[in-house]
Amino acid sequence: DQQVKQNSPSLSVQEGRISILNCDYTNSMFDYFLWYKKYPAEGPTFLISISSIKDKNEDGRFTVFLNKSAKHLSLHIVPSQPGDSAVYFCAASANAGKSTFGDGTTLTVKP
Amino acid sequence: DAMVIQNPRYQVTQFGKPVTLSCSQTLNHNVMYWYQQKSSQAPKLLFHYYDKDFNNEADTPDNFQSRRPNTSFCFLDIRSPGLGDAAMYLCATSRGGEDQPQHFGDGTRLSIL
Repeated sequence: DQQVKQNSPSLSVQEGRISILNCDYTNSMFDYFLWYKKYPAEGPTFLISISSIKDKNEDGRFTVFLNKSAKHLSLHIVPSQPGDSAVYFCAASANAGKSTFGDGTTLTVKP
Repeated sequence: DAMVIQNPRYQVTQFGKPVTLSCSQTLNHNVMYWYQQKSSQAPKLLFHYYDKDFNNEADTPDNFQSRRPNTSFCFLDIRSPGLGDAAMYLCATSRGGEDQPQHFGDGTRLSIL
């Protein structure tokens, strides 16, 4: 049973608009959540994270929201840029730095 | 730049012929991880080292082994590769701790003939 789910395999948005990527988890022991971005032929790179004691973390154009009661988090990118086109992985961590990853969402930002 | 380097980027081996993938880091991180990723799927953790302590995931096949001779290097050995082992293999490092992000190499794509 997959503990971290990204139910949308792909998302397409227009440049300048908001991109919203969603992630759901089932394990209530997860207490730290991370987003990674992956370009083709490269490894994932860390983007932004949030602790379970917070409900929002912002870094420039990127904001992550956490709803613990719903076991749901989302990544907002505003405004979206063509260079944001990539695969985005949601990951959740419970202990010792081990992370469980979702299957990823491919974001395409159209000029 | 401090980084995680995986060699080779592409590896082709024959069914049943042992193969070794390598990973090196200049970040001096305590923890090194090996993941297997198949197309359009989540990276799946195979095992990780916290310093010299080896931690195997329960569902990692016995066919997969790992060595970490020092802080900088970590190897993934596949003793008898099967067709199902064809995948992207990702190495990552971190300082350890749930709030520490992982730093990934660019991966080795393994093909089995």
